[in-house]
Amino acid sequence: GQQVMQIPQYQHVQEGEDFTTYCNSSTTLSNIQWYKQRPGGHPVFLIQLVKSGEVKKQKRLTFQFGEAKKNSSLHITATQTTDVGTYFCAGHSGGYQKVTFGIGTKLQVIP
Amino acid sequence: EPEVTQTPSHQVTQMGQEVILRCVPISNHLYFYWYRQILGQKVEFLVSFYNNEISEKSEIFDDQFSVERPDGSNFTLKIRSTKLEDSAMYFCASRGGGSGYTFGSGTRLTVV
Repeated sequence: GQQVMQIPQYQHVQEGEDFTTYCNSSTTLSNIQWYKQRPGGHPVFLIQLVKSGEVKKQKRLTFQFGEAKKNSSLHITATQTTDVGTYFCAGHSGGYQKVTFGIGTKLQVIP
Repeated sequence: EPEVTQTPSHQVTQMGQEVILRCVPISNHLYFYWYRQILGQKVEFLVSFYNNEISEKSEIFDDQFSVERPDGSNFTLKIRSTKLEDSAMYFCASRGGGSGYTFGSGTRLTVV
């Protein structure tokens, strides 16, 4: 079945430093989604990427979808303490099928 | 903003007992899901539900699990005979046509 790998599992950064998490799927995806889960919270949808090579930005967050539609990255510029949480990528094969979550990258921001 | 509502927020049950976790998805969404997350681990797929039937299920979703959409608004997950390893946070999610998932706040199930 489809597998979604994500690295790193943990990342500690000083406030103001940049952060990147990478996601790789074993199969070609219809789209990839990114979620953020705050400690003790539930996953919250951030964005969906659909097109090959797509790049989307949300303020300090930049999301990329690879040309082969098998990998993706999330980059945060100048992290803030409010960025703390676990960032999950989730691969979707389309239609009514499920998304498969990566293991997540837990981001700690040191003030 | 529309929300997915889950009840209860926390359920403690004796091993072997039946539990029903309840969810009210967003009203105009078509696809419904149950996921679970063991503490500190990734979000694992259990089952998807579309057009009033199960569309996909994982190997975790064995005969002890069942889902229902009894009245057009509620979406329930039943575990017939709970085991210790069923202890986890259970998330309900729904989505419309081409959007991402909206997750509920979860039910923390503790089996003792």
